[in-house]
Amino acid sequence: GNSVTQMEGPVTLSEEAFLTINCTYTATGYPSLFWYVQYPGEGLQLLLKATKADDKGSNKGFEATYRKETTSFHLEKGSVQVSDSAVYFCALKGKLIFGQGTELSVKP
Amino acid sequence: DTAVSQTPKYLVTQMGNDKSIKCEQNLGHDTMYWYKQDSKKFLKIMFSYNNKELIINETVPNRFSPKSPDKAHLNLHINSLELGDSAVYFCASSSRQGYYGYTFGSGTRLTVV
Repeated sequence: GNSVTQMEGPVTLSEEAFLTINCTYTATGYPSLFWYVQYPGEGLQLLLKATKADDKGSNKGFEATYRKETTSFHLEKGSVQVSDSAVYFCALKGKLIFGQGTELSVKP
Repeated sequence: DTAVSQTPKYLVTQMGNDKSIKCEQNLGHDTMYWYKQDSKKFLKIMFSYNNKELIINETVPNRFSPKSPDKAHLNLHINSLELGDSAVYFCASSSRQGYYGYTFGSGTRLTVV
């Protein structure tokens, strides 16, 4: 069946550092892929999405490219801020299968 | 206007009690979901309704019973609550089977004591 695997956290970075959170998937066909973010004490917000292979999703300085060759959808940001501290989830359309979440902590 | 609203936000109750969580969406979406988030932040789907019809029913104890009176509402009733039911429960909705994404409520933190 379909599945999503994310790199384990927690990830701790200094402000302005480069961020990569790895996500790989197993799926039939090419379903839409998503990154969701959960700030402390809040629900999940859609951060970005890609609906087909080779699409690049972007929002708030975050980017992810849907790569069918490597079945990956890695999240990147060039310069993180303290306000980016949250848990990030990679997800696959359908039942909306989530990865296990990666907690990011950004220190000033 | 809140797009997906859940009530209550917090629920503390004793073992053995029966409780309900309500969810409403005003986005015009045709599909609604219940997810459970455990203490390690892992999210797992429980149920999904499309236009009032149950389409996803994962391996969940039958003490949990969803009800969808119309496509804008999806409630979750839990009988005989157990300590292990303590978690955050999220409601979500989507259109076109989630092609463009899913909108989540802010969650209900259930604590069983």
